Amino acid sequence: AQTVTQSQPEMSVQEAETVTLSCTYDTSESDYYLFWYKQPPSRQMILVIRQEAYKQQNATENRFSVNFQKAAKSFSLKISDSQLGDAAMYFCAYGGERKSSGDKLTFGTGTRLAVRP
Amino acid sequence: DTEVTQTPKHLVMGMTNKKSLKCEQHMGHRAMYWYKQKAKKPPELMFVYSYEKLSINESVPSRFSPECPNSSLLNLHLHALQPEDSALYLCASSRTYRGSKNIQYFGAGTRLSVL
Repeated sequence: AQTVTQSQPEMSVQEAETVTLSCTYDTSESDYYLFWYKQPPSRQMILVIRQEAYKQQNATENRFSVNFQKAAKSFSLKISDSQLGDAAMYFCAYGGERKSSGDKLTFGTGTRLAVRP
Repeated sequence: DTEVTQTPKHLVMGMTNKKSLKCEQHMGHRAMYWYKQKAKKPPELMFVYSYEKLSINESVPSRFSPECPNSSLLNLHLHALQPEDSALYLCASSRTYRGSKNIQYFGAGTRLSVL
């Protein structure tokens, strides 16, 4: 069974600074998807970024980027130029094998990010 | 439009009540999901519907009864709930359930309190 581990329950960053959230996972598959979701106090889970394991290039979405280390099974999220609106719970999720007939999201336990003004 | 709409936003019910949660999407998605989320925990999958058919039931107690009347609508019928069922119930949808590349889009959830 796949597992996802987020070892940082809470993180804090100064506004405009950079922060990195850690995530490791365990899988025997070679071609799969990984996600970072954000859940602000409004409760809605919002997709931040998606990484396809067969792609060597790290995914980037504006101020959000990942450091994907496939051999180490590590998938960290870097937030640059942090903004107050980035304050939220961040969940790392394993999305299953790319060619699967159906797969579930396996979530980590989450990292609560606070942004200091 | 990537919106999944859930109603109501808040619900308080007694253990003998019957209530329903509603979820709607108009993105043409053919997979819809119910999750349960306790405070400070990740979402836990409850049910998956694919093309209006129940594909996954994660051993959820029968007091939770899902229904997918059409491709845009997903209901969760609640009956004889227990206080430990109090949680945030999230609905999500994705284009299909085939292939893990499909992004799940989530609603804002229904905060349920069982007294």
